[in-house]
Amino acid sequence: AQTVTQSQPEMSVQEAETVTLSCTYDTSESNYYLFWYKQPPSRQMILVIRQEAYKQQNATENRFSVNFQKAAKSFSLKISDSQLGDTAMYFCAFMKHVWGIEFYFGTGTSLTVIP
Amino acid sequence: GAVVSQHPSRVICKSGTSVKIECRSLDFQATTMFWYRQFPKQSLMLMATSNEGSKATYEQGVEKDKFLINHASLTLSTLTVTSAHPEDSSFYICSARDWENTEAFFGQGTRLTVV
Repeated sequence: AQTVTQSQPEMSVQEAETVTLSCTYDTSESNYYLFWYKQPPSRQMILVIRQEAYKQQNATENRFSVNFQKAAKSFSLKISDSQLGDTAMYFCAFMKHVWGIEFYFGTGTSLTVIP
Repeated sequence: GAVVSQHPSRVICKSGTSVKIECRSLDFQATTMFWYRQFPKQSLMLMATSNEGSKATYEQGVEKDKFLINHASLTLSTLTVTSAHPEDSSFYICSARDWENTEAFFGQGTRLTVV
């Protein structure tokens, strides 16, 4: 089975500053997808950003970007210009190639944006 | 993104009874659905994965006879918690994806309380 590890249980950042959340994973697959999901207090899971393993270019989505290091099996999330609405649990997730059906989550990082 | 509707959002049942949770994909055909359990301030634990028309694949340690999963159509999967006990109280989340989407879309979750 694949494992996803987030080593930072809690983090905080000042509003408008930048913060990076770490994620490492372990897999023997060569083709897979990585995701960052946000879970606010409502507990609705919201997709923040996704990365295809076969793409070398790091994904970006407005204020959110990733640093994908395939050889190191590392997938960190950078949030720029942090906003109060970014306060939430953030989960890193792994999914096998599109024909696979396995989808695993990391342990989560609780991010608090301080006004 | 696509919409996944999960119902009910909250349910309270008596110990020993069964409760059914529904997960519907409203605007796409969900070839694969995932069921998760989430304890407070913890990550999502994958319980089972189901493909439409097939038996669900359960994760190690999940009781198949207790957590019955049915995925009889491309838009509906159900999770039935049989003979519920207080320790089954938790937050249950479903997610769904179609064959061409690399993203899994999440329901709103169901908070189950067994008294």
